[in-house]
Amino acid sequence: DTAVSQTPKYLVTQMGNDKSIKCEQNLGHDTMYWYKQDSKKFLKIMFSYNNKELIINETVPNRFSPKSPDKAHLNLHINSLELGDSAVYFCASSQRKGEYTEAFFGQGTRLTVV
Amino acid sequence: KQEVTQIPAALSVPEGENLVLNCSFTDSAIYNLQWFRQDPGKGLTSLLLIQSSQREQTSGRLNASLDKSSGRSTLYIAASQPGDSATYLCAVSQTGNQFYFGTGTSLTVIP
Repeated sequence: DTAVSQTPKYLVTQMGNDKSIKCEQNLGHDTMYWYKQDSKKFLKIMFSYNNKELIINETVPNRFSPKSPDKAHLNLHINSLELGDSAVYFCASSQRKGEYTEAFFGQGTRLTVV
Repeated sequence: KQEVTQIPAALSVPEGENLVLNCSFTDSAIYNLQWFRQDPGKGLTSLLLIQSSQREQTSGRLNASLDKSSGRSTLYIAASQPGDSATYLCAVSQTGNQFYFGTGTSLTVIP
């Protein structure tokens, strides 16, 4: 079973459309994240949720809205898509265990806005 | 704010060589450091995790070290193989709920 799974894997859409990316983790972790990987492969955090509560919200346009229906799911909805939103979006989860926290990542969703 | 840098940005070596990838971070108050591998068009695969109280971790041909006070970690790959070709990323965990990533090292092992 895939630990962190996100769908779809590829998403091609036109400017101005609204789209969603879904993420599910079966690890029982309390914390989930969305990261954006740009064309230079740099990964930047967008959001972090702990037990369905938003704990980190980096400088992200309010067109991006995360939703966590339960602690195993963190979906990302994007309104009014722009060309600059094209990137790979990664979902991740983690759980603090004593003195360390290990992150597990999904396979990514490659979003192309045309 | 934590900043993570990886040197070199790209590395090309002949098969069989031992190599070292470097990761530095500006804030030493970390929970742990994690090394990942990313193949083209794929997700991130965790390679090694070093807790802040540890100095190194080993898995097969990989050895990662951590010097928290100087803000440095190295990933040593022994007897490199073409299958090791990938981008290697280091990430530091602070507060236990945020991971700061380095800029990555793109490794090519030439047969």
